[in-house]
Amino acid sequence: AQSVSQHNHHVILSEAASLELGCNYSYGGTVNLFWYVQYPGQHLQLLLKYFSGDPLVKGIKGFEAEFIKSKFSFNLRKPSVQWSDTAEYFCAVNTGGSARQLTFGSGTQLTVLP
Amino acid sequence: DVKVTQSSRYLVKRTGEKVFLECVQDMDHENMFWYRQDPGLGLRLIYFSYDVKMKEKGDIPEGYSVSREKKERFSLILESASTNQTSMYLCAIFSGTSYEQYFGPGTRLTVT
Repeated sequence: AQSVSQHNHHVILSEAASLELGCNYSYGGTVNLFWYVQYPGQHLQLLLKYFSGDPLVKGIKGFEAEFIKSKFSFNLRKPSVQWSDTAEYFCAVNTGGSARQLTFGSGTQLTVLP
Repeated sequence: DVKVTQSSRYLVKRTGEKVFLECVQDMDHENMFWYRQDPGLGLRLIYFSYDVKMKEKGDIPEGYSVSREKKERFSLILESASTNQTSMYLCAIFSGTSYEQYFGPGTRLTVT
């Protein structure tokens, strides 16, 4: 069975700092990759997704992620974080199951200090 | 906009009670999911359904069952609630148009 690892459990940054959150998955076949975000008190929502093509994917709110197949990684980046980016971030993978089920990582709590 | 609603935001139940968590979608999506979210563990799939009356076990189905009698409604059932089922429960649907899952607001269940 596939698994997803997010090694950073809690990241604290000051505003304007650059962000990179790690995500590694274990599956040797074709994968679809996702980053979801959960702002305090809100629904889980999609930040960005990768299916195929350009391995650098741009999402909402200035986030981007790079798929590196050789490293089984899909790291999330943002050049300059804002206080409003404080949230929990989840990486997820779909390996093509018919019902499109996702396997999630354990999440990374990002705290941005004003 | 895709809308996924869950019957309760907060629920407190006693050990041994039977608990029903309801999830309703407003579109004709076939695939629906139940996850539980726990700190440090992320989201774990309990059950999913790909059509009416069809269901499949996820990664942690023990202690849970589900029901899908109508396409728009997917229920999670705790036959006899236990304290280790205290958690946030999230329902989701899969959209074949945008190829992503949409989540409901969650139900925070406390079992005492």
